[in-house]
Amino acid sequence: DGGITQSPKYLFRKEGQNVTLSCEQNLNHDAMYWYRQDPGQGLRLIYYSQIVNDFQKGDIAEGYSVSREKKESFPLTVTSAQKNPTAFYLCASSHTNRGAEQFFGPGTRLTVL
Amino acid sequence: GQNIDQPTEMTATEGAIVQINCTYQTSGFNGLFWYQQHAGEAPTFLSYNVLDGLEEKGRFSSFLSRSKGYSYLLLKELQMKDSASYLCAVMAAGNKLTFGGGTRVLVKP
Repeated sequence: DGGITQSPKYLFRKEGQNVTLSCEQNLNHDAMYWYRQDPGQGLRLIYYSQIVNDFQKGDIAEGYSVSREKKESFPLTVTSAQKNPTAFYLCASSHTNRGAEQFFGPGTRLTVL
Repeated sequence: GQNIDQPTEMTATEGAIVQINCTYQTSGFNGLFWYQQHAGEAPTFLSYNVLDGLEEKGRFSSFLSRSKGYSYLLLKELQMKDSASYLCAVMAAGNKLTFGGGTRVLVKP
């Protein structure tokens, strides 16, 4: 079955630690995206990538980093520089044609203690 | 930049109709999406409008007016399972999506 997976579902970390969230897709999509969602709010774009080995900052990239070494994978690292990292993180992927629908993974809920 | 506004919350009765409005200002436009999101879950695609007019898909319809920067999502014959947040999102160049804050719909028996 084709899909997009994120792991783990829940993640707890101590303040000051870096943490990497996994995102994998087997939909053969060129584009991948990371969003952050805070309680009762919409999604905000952190980083996106239209092709392997290339990525761009979104609206709230500070304190985050990404890599895109493989088409199927787009891991997100939440660094200690991110001031309020506790949130729900959603990964998405899509084709790159105009108006292509984005498909979302199940999300990772990160809690920093 | 992008600015997207939608109501925070709406309540309706099972079997009724609810209309969720979305207004936007954008510097580029490649279409408008509506997604449904149940609490703690991933958003799922409902509709995409790029031309003016109404798109109907079963109990859900979506309307777009590009000149007015306005869209609405119409949910008919409401069911309890329709209780969720509904996200309006505008696509700009490069297929970047900007989301509104979401409208939480509560369906009561």
